[in-house]
Amino acid sequence: TQLLEQSPQFLSIQEGENLTVYCNSSSVFSSLQWYRQEPGEGPVLLVTVVTGGEVKKLKRLTFQFGDARKDSSLHITAAQTGDTGLYLCAGAETSGSRLTFGEGTQLTVNP
Amino acid sequence: DAGVIQSPRHEVTEMGQEVTLRCKPISGHNSLFWYRQTMMRGLELLIYFNNNVPIDDSGMPEDRFSAKMPNASFSTLKIQPSEPRDSAVYFCASSADRWRPQHFGDGTRLSIL
Repeated sequence: TQLLEQSPQFLSIQEGENLTVYCNSSSVFSSLQWYRQEPGEGPVLLVTVVTGGEVKKLKRLTFQFGDARKDSSLHITAAQTGDTGLYLCAGAETSGSRLTFGEGTQLTVNP
Repeated sequence: DAGVIQSPRHEVTEMGQEVTLRCKPISGHNSLFWYRQTMMRGLELLIYFNNNVPIDDSGMPEDRFSAKMPNASFSTLKIQPSEPRDSAVYFCASSADRWRPQHFGDGTRLSIL
């Protein structure tokens, strides 16, 4: 089983600040997905990155896939209270459809 | 546009009882996944089906857990007998095919007393 490590595990910041969440592995993934989960709900897909070095932007969120397809980062600019939630990265194994999830980063944005 | 539907949303039962969790995937999706989420272990894949056939059940904890998918629109995850350590949130997810992003239901919060 391929492992994904996320850091930090917990992050509490003030509204307006910037932040970066990291997702690292020693294994290569065919693609990597980022999800956000709110209390009482299931994870919701934010983005999928496929190509090494790929950068995708979703409003104030910027996602990057490492050149070697082993790591990824999520950067949020000018965080808002609505960004609060559990952020999960998930790597798709090269052999099939099995997704390996990271442990998650619990983000709290305070007003 | 209905998403993945899970039932029940909450289940509280005593240890030793049989528990059955249900899932209706998104119509047209041919891959279905069962996950378990806990604070200690995060989100773990238990089993997944492709075209109603179990493909990988290596995440199923032990023989007390079983999953079925009798048709394309319904799946069950059964625990018999249940134990307190089975307490967790169980998610079902589906995708259009094994390489597409997964859509999750809202989960079943299971408490075994």
